[in-house]
Amino acid sequence: AQSVAQPEDQVNVAEGNPLTVKCTYSVSGNPYLFWYVQYPNRGLQFLLKYITGDNLVKGSYGFEAEFNKSQTSFHLKKPSALVSDSALYFCAVRPLDTGFQKLVFGTGTRLLVSP
Amino acid sequence: SQTIHQWPATLVQPVGSPLSLECTVEGTSNPNLYWYRQAAGRGLQLLFYSVGIGQISSEVPQNLSASRPQDRQFILSSKKLLLSDSGFYLCAWGGAGGPTGELFFGEGSRLTVL
Repeated sequence: AQSVAQPEDQVNVAEGNPLTVKCTYSVSGNPYLFWYVQYPNRGLQFLLKYITGDNLVKGSYGFEAEFNKSQTSFHLKKPSALVSDSALYFCAVRPLDTGFQKLVFGTGTRLLVSP
Repeated sequence: SQTIHQWPATLVQPVGSPLSLECTVEGTSNPNLYWYRQAAGRGLQLLFYSVGIGQISSEVPQNLSASRPQDRQFILSSKKLLLSDSGFYLCAWGGAGGPTGELFFGEGSRLTVL
């Protein structure tokens, strides 16, 4: 089965410092990988995706993610964290064997940026 | 541009009562539609998806059902709610971009079963 794992329940970082939210995947074949952010009591907002090509993907709000095939990882990064980045972050993978667009999500990582 | 609407935003229902959550997409045609449930504020579980009117696929057996009476309408229902049905229900649509496209989520419906 195709899945993603987010090993950290919570990541704490000070404002202005770089942040990394980790994601590893388990898929057969080439993965389609996604990052979403969720603010309290809101729906999920799309940040970025990796389909093919350049391993460094840039997305919304200054976020980027690096696809690493040898380590089967797709970590989310930002050079300088903002307090407003505090939210729940989800990594997701699209299974390629269904023909549909459904996504399988990780368990989420709560990011807390302190002033 | 495309938008997705969910209602009601919040719902408190007694055990054994019926449920109807609605999701409507605007600005696109023939979208793939999805219902996810988020329990305890964390992981998302895919409940149902639909690729067209009247076409529903269920991912997990449960007390819920889904219907798609119109191209851009997706309804989540239950005849008798259980305590375990409490959660945050998210509707999503996809279609643009085919298999490489992202899903777009509504603002969610929070259901509390007492």
